[in-house]
Amino acid sequence: QSALTQPPSASGSPGQSVTVSCTGTRSDIGAYNFVSWYQFHPGTVPKLIIYEVTKRPSGVPDRFSGSKSGNTASLTVSGLQADDEADYYCSSFAGNNNFIFGPGTKVTV
Amino acid sequence: VQLVESGGGLVLPGVPLRLSCAASGFTFRFYWMAWLRQAPGKGPEWVANIKQDGSETFYGASMKGRFIISRDNAKSSIYLQVNSLRDEDTAIYYCARAQLAGGYFDYWGLGTQVTVSS
Repeated sequence: QSALTQPPSASGSPGQSVTVSCTGTRSDIGAYNFVSWYQFHPGTVPKLIIYEVTKRPSGVPDRFSGSKSGNTASLTVSGLQADDEADYYCSSFAGNNNFIFGPGTKVTV
Repeated sequence: VQLVESGGGLVLPGVPLRLSCAASGFTFRFYWMAWLRQAPGKGPEWVANIKQDGSETFYGASMKGRFIISRDNAKSSIYLQVNSLRDEDTAIYYCARAQLAGGYFDYWGLGTQVTVSS
């Protein structure tokens, strides 16, 4: 299974919104509502921020939201804060007990 | 929830390596667990999952044959045996709690660096 596709970078000013796309195929993102997003800060534990396309784990601010249309999922971070500057990775279940990830998007605030 | 990996380091090509992950803060035996890895400059890559009682294991397509995931519920730990290490196995190896019903990994460890080099 090929990896998912993400833009290498995205940026926004404090208080603005930024949207990160994640493109797959009809065999992964298009087939399942099992898209998740992870935030990686250097030197810290990776954090789940969105699961099952739109759901937020307890403790994740509602500034983070997820969506999906066809074979493309999106993560939107609104009201950007300095601490949102990180690498964001999307992931999708791809059938046959297989999980695939994107190459990551570096969000700069 | 806390997951702490260990066992990484600088290793020669061709040698085996065993990574460990100690879990705490949740009822370990109730959850699927997983190993993932991230090579330099790349996104994470799923390595393997193991069922609550260890009776089922699944591996990424490129992992089959050289990687073996196991667990010890008495020690709240999982392990990853990697045989015949190759340069391309150089990565940070993460332990994670898996939520298979939703296809995601809800808690990760800090990771352990494995560098394969002669």
